[in-house]
Amino acid sequence: DGGITQSPKYLFRKEGQNVTLSCEQNLNHDAMYWYRQDPGQGLRLIYYSQIVNDFQKGDIAEGYSVSREKKESFPLTVTSAQKNPTAFYLCASSTTTNTGELFFGEGSRLTVL
Amino acid sequence: AQSVTQPDIHITVSEGASLELRCNYSYGATPYLFWYVQSPGQGLQLLLKYFSGDTLVQGIKGFEAEFKRSQSSFNLRKPSVHWSDAAEYFCAVGALAGNKLTFGGGTRVLVKP
Repeated sequence: DGGITQSPKYLFRKEGQNVTLSCEQNLNHDAMYWYRQDPGQGLRLIYYSQIVNDFQKGDIAEGYSVSREKKESFPLTVTSAQKNPTAFYLCASSTTTNTGELFFGEGSRLTVL
Repeated sequence: AQSVTQPDIHITVSEGASLELRCNYSYGATPYLFWYVQSPGQGLQLLLKYFSGDTLVQGIKGFEAEFKRSQSSFNLRKPSVHWSDAAEYFCAVGALAGNKLTFGGGTRVLVKP
């Protein structure tokens, strides 16, 4: 079945540590996205990529980094510079035509201890 | 800048009753509008979308939404709610080019038996 796989589902980290969240898709989509979800704030865009080896900052990119070396993969690194990293992180993908439909993974919950 | 407001954080409805979720958007051009649903701890699933044409849009699971340009609204409705409709619902607006979506804060729906 085609879809988006995020791992790990739950992750705990100590303050000062970097952590990388994995996102893999087999939908053959060109575009991929990372959103952060906090209660009552909806989803906020961290980074997005519309093509391999290219990506752009979203609204809240500070303290995060990404890479897009393969079409299928778009890992997100939460660095120690991110002040409030505890959140639910959602990866999504889409075609680059203007249909607007995002396909989401099941999310990764990061808790900083 | 585009923005989306969902005025109701929580709504409680009895099973079998009708449901209406409000969404107001701010966008400088013709918007692409979406409703997504999220079950607890899961990713988001597209319910319906509006690009142009008929302002009443039908979606999955018996949902519909009406685009009202004069009111900058895109409210979601369902005539008769089922217990399985308990979830969080997100309204989103997209740009004409590309798939960057801006999400509202979400409305959590509780269904009473």
